[in-house]
Amino acid sequence: GAGVSQSPSNKVTEKGKDVELRCDPISGHTALYWYRQSLGQGLEFLIYFQGNSAPDKSGLPSDRFSAERTGGSVSTLTIQRTQQEDSAVYLCASSLGWLEIYEQYFGPGTRLTVT
Amino acid sequence: RKEVEQDPGPFNVPEGATVAFNCTYSNSASQSFFWYRQDCRKEPKLLMSVYSSGNEDGRFTAQLNRASQYISLLIRDSKLSDSATYLCVVEAAGNKLTFGGGTRVLVKP
Repeated sequence: GAGVSQSPSNKVTEKGKDVELRCDPISGHTALYWYRQSLGQGLEFLIYFQGNSAPDKSGLPSDRFSAERTGGSVSTLTIQRTQQEDSAVYLCASSLGWLEIYEQYFGPGTRLTVT
Repeated sequence: RKEVEQDPGPFNVPEGATVAFNCTYSNSASQSFFWYRQDCRKEPKLLMSVYSSGNEDGRFTAQLNRASQYISLLIRDSKLSDSATYLCVVEAAGNKLTFGGGTRVLVKP
């Protein structure tokens, strides 16, 4: 079946612009996660959605970052007024539910470059 | 101190040899532990869970040492296809996974 998809695969933007990154999780997965991975670094947790519960935003690095999940499916991560340090690969993952948190299926990521 | 720490490597391993590496975690309340594998420029994928009693999956053996707060991964009879970055993953409270920076393994003929 279809895996997690993300778009765009690559995004180059100028410093100060806003960007939107999209994630389409596996159908039926109620849990959705956003991470970012900088060059040579581990995954940094950003935000977690579980069903209709309020999202866990504890990993968002600043108020320039926000995310939504509409209809319990597609999610959008928005970065306002992008900075060069925002350059990274943004990975989205989904799991069947919170009990299956350990088995996350990752999308291919969006490589964001801020110039 | 990072919550999950790994030797970044790379570990250069002759094909057919055994390689082992550890990962330390700082939160003693951590509940579950996993290894993920990430190929170059690809997304991470779950490799195996780590149980207190230790567990094996083919050529891969994972162990947990709660007293010293580390987990280990051992790969026997290394194959060229084992070349990847191995991410140590720890689940603490709050339904979040914390990923280590990864250990890079390069298997060479």
